[in-house]
Amino acid sequence: DVKVTQSSRYLVKRTGEKVFLECVQDMDHENMFWYRQDPGLGLRLIYFSYDVKMKEKGDIPEGYSVSREKKERFSLILESASTNQTSMYLCATEDGNQPQHFGDGTRLSIL
Amino acid sequence: AQSVTQLGSHVSVSEGALVLLRCNYSSSVPPYLFWYVQYPNQGLQLLLKYTSAATLVKGINGFEAEFKKSETSFHLTKPSAHMSDAAEYFCAVSKRGSTLGRLYFGRGTQLTVWP
Repeated sequence: DVKVTQSSRYLVKRTGEKVFLECVQDMDHENMFWYRQDPGLGLRLIYFSYDVKMKEKGDIPEGYSVSREKKERFSLILESASTNQTSMYLCATEDGNQPQHFGDGTRLSIL
Repeated sequence: AQSVTQLGSHVSVSEGALVLLRCNYSSSVPPYLFWYVQYPNQGLQLLLKYTSAATLVKGINGFEAEFKKSETSFHLTKPSAHMSDAAEYFCAVSKRGSTLGRLYFGRGTQLTVWP
């Protein structure tokens, strides 16, 4: 079974800090995704990656960047955290043939 | 472009009653369609998927959904609700034939089950 591990379940950071959210998968999937989930808005795609060192912007990339140096790891970076980035962040992976598998999420609070 | 509309952000049913969660989609090409469930403080779990085989799709936990092209709908049903079904449900669409399965999600429907 696919396992998608997000490094933190809960995270509290301060405005202006640089924040790293990590996602690791164990199934050698090509494609990885970062979503943001807010009440009443569903899931919105921030960035995705279809190969090592490759990335594509999603619908709401502003204020975020990503890094994929190894196939199994996809990092989301908040360059200078702001309070409007307080949210639930979900990582997902897939191999192009099966539906996306999700991690348990990181609930991030920016104070 | 792909998009999904979930009608009703909150649905409440009594235990044992029929569950009906509505989803309509918009897609420029034949779509793949999915229902995911999210329990509190967890990630999303796949309930079922439609990928062009039978239009009536059975999923886990007794849920099923029917793809109706003429109505551009993919409503989720369960004949008899259980307390454990209380969760948030998301409908999603992706482009058929795409090897990069980017999903477009609806805004979610919170299901409450009363004893």
